Amino acid sequence: GAGVSQSPSNKVTEKGKDVELRCDPISGHTALYWYRQSLGQGLEFLIYFQGNSAPDKSGLPSDRFSAERTGGSVSTLTIQRTQQEDSAVYLCASSRQGAREQYFGPGTRLTVT
Amino acid sequence: KQEVTQIPAALSVPEGENLVLNCSFTDSAIYNLQWFRQDPGKGLTSLLLIQSSQREQTSGRLNASLDKSSGRSTLYIAASQPGDSATYLCAVGGSSNTGKLIFGQGTTLQVKP
Repeated sequence: GAGVSQSPSNKVTEKGKDVELRCDPISGHTALYWYRQSLGQGLEFLIYFQGNSAPDKSGLPSDRFSAERTGGSVSTLTIQRTQQEDSAVYLCASSRQGAREQYFGPGTRLTVT
Repeated sequence: KQEVTQIPAALSVPEGENLVLNCSFTDSAIYNLQWFRQDPGKGLTSLLLIQSSQREQTSGRLNASLDKSSGRSTLYIAASQPGDSATYLCAVGGSSNTGKLIFGQGTTLQVKP
C-alpha cells in the first residue's frame, strides 16, 4: 500500500481481556516501530524491529506487552490482561532501515473499560 | 536520559504571520531530528528530517534548523495559513542503531483567518 496501515482503528475492551493490534508497514521498509500516545505521557517509544528481530524492546511497559513481526512485514502488538492505564493511541511507524525518516500509521485507539 | 522540550505549548496567530516553533534537547549526541505534524484524531505526518551533520532543511514554506551544540532546533513557518493549524511535534533520534525517537510534548498551533 501507499502508507502504513493499522487495524483496528478503534478497540474497546473490558479490563482483563487480551487485545491484538496490527500494523502493515510500507512495502520494502525493513524497520518497524511501535509507539504509544496518551494524554499524560505524550508519545512514547515501545519497541523497534529490524526485519523480524527486535533489538530494542526497552519501551515495553510490562511483561503484559509483547510484539512480533513475521515475514519482515506485518507486526502484531499484543497486550494481555488489559488494564485501564493501557488506554491510549497505539501508533506504528516504518522506515527504510533503522535511523531513517519514519512514516506513521493512523493509529489504533484502545479504550479499556 | 534524553529529554525533549517544546515551547510554547500553544500558539495562536493571525493568518499570514511568519512564526517559529522551538524544540530543545538535553543530550547533544543525536543522530537525527524529525519534525511532525499531527491533526486531531490522526496519525503523524513527517514534515522534515535533519541529520546530525546538517544545519537546516527546507520544504515549501517550512524551514527547520538544527544547532546540536546548543541542543536546539527551530521550525519556521512562513506566511501561515489556517490549514497549518495542527500540533507540531519534534522528535530526536539518539542512536544510529535503532532510530528510536524521543518526542517533545508538542506545540498546538492555531492560525486564525
